[in-house]
Amino acid sequence: NAGVTQTPKFQVLKTGQSMTLQCAQDMNHEYMSWYRQDPGMGLRLIHYSVGAGITDQGEVPNGYNVSRSTTEDFPLRLLSAAPSQTSVYFCASSSGTGINSPLHFGNGTRLTVT
Amino acid sequence: AQSVTQPDIHITVSEGASLELRCNYSYGATPYLFWYVQSPGQGLQLLLKYFSGDTLVQGIKGFEAEFKRSQSSFNLRKPSVHWSDAAEYFCAVGATNGGSQGNLIFGKGTKLSVKP
Repeated sequence: NAGVTQTPKFQVLKTGQSMTLQCAQDMNHEYMSWYRQDPGMGLRLIHYSVGAGITDQGEVPNGYNVSRSTTEDFPLRLLSAAPSQTSVYFCASSSGTGINSPLHFGNGTRLTVT
Repeated sequence: AQSVTQPDIHITVSEGASLELRCNYSYGATPYLFWYVQSPGQGLQLLLKYFSGDTLVQGIKGFEAEFKRSQSSFNLRKPSVHWSDAAEYFCAVGATNGGSQGNLIFGKGTKLSVKP
C-alpha cells in the first residue's frame, strides 16, 4: 500500500528554471493539498484540490501552479524558481473535506534554488 | 482569522518523565483539532484528533490530548516519554472557508528532545 508518493526526493534548481513536483495517491482520496515547510514556520498551505478538475489557492500560492486532471495525481509546478522557494514540500491527501478527516502525507521533496 | 500557537519551540525531557506540549487556537466556532508528529526526514503522521464529544481524546503511541474550550487549548500529554518519541510535534486546527470544505492551519511546531 503506497499511500502518498512524492517524486523527486531531492532537487536543486538554478534561479529561473522550471520544474514539476509530482504527487500521487492510491487511496482514491478526493482531497489533496500541497504544503511547504520552512524552519520556524510550520507548514503553510500552497494549493489544494477537493476533486478532479477543482483547485484553489491556499495561504502562499504565488509562484506555484497546480492542476488536478485525475483523482490520483496533483502535480505542483514552479514556473520560474526563486531562492525564496527553497523549502521542503509536502503533498497530502484526505478522504474527507480537508478538515474532518486526517491528512496522509508523503515523505516530502527537498528543493534548493541557487 | 484562525490561528494556532505552540508557545514552546524546543522542549527537552528525560526518558520516563511526563510530557505536556501546549497548543492554543483561535477560532470562532467549535474547532476540529489535530496533533501530528514528524520524525526526521519523514512526512507528518496523525497522533489524534478532536471533533466533538469527550474532551479527553486518546491517540496512538500512548498520547492523549484535552480540549479546553474556556482556555482555547488542546494540549498534548504523555505520562512516560520514550526515546523514540523524539520528533517534532504539530498542532493543527481545521478551518472552514465558509462552505463545507476547509483546510488545516498548522502551528509552527515543538521539537522534542529526550535525554537518556
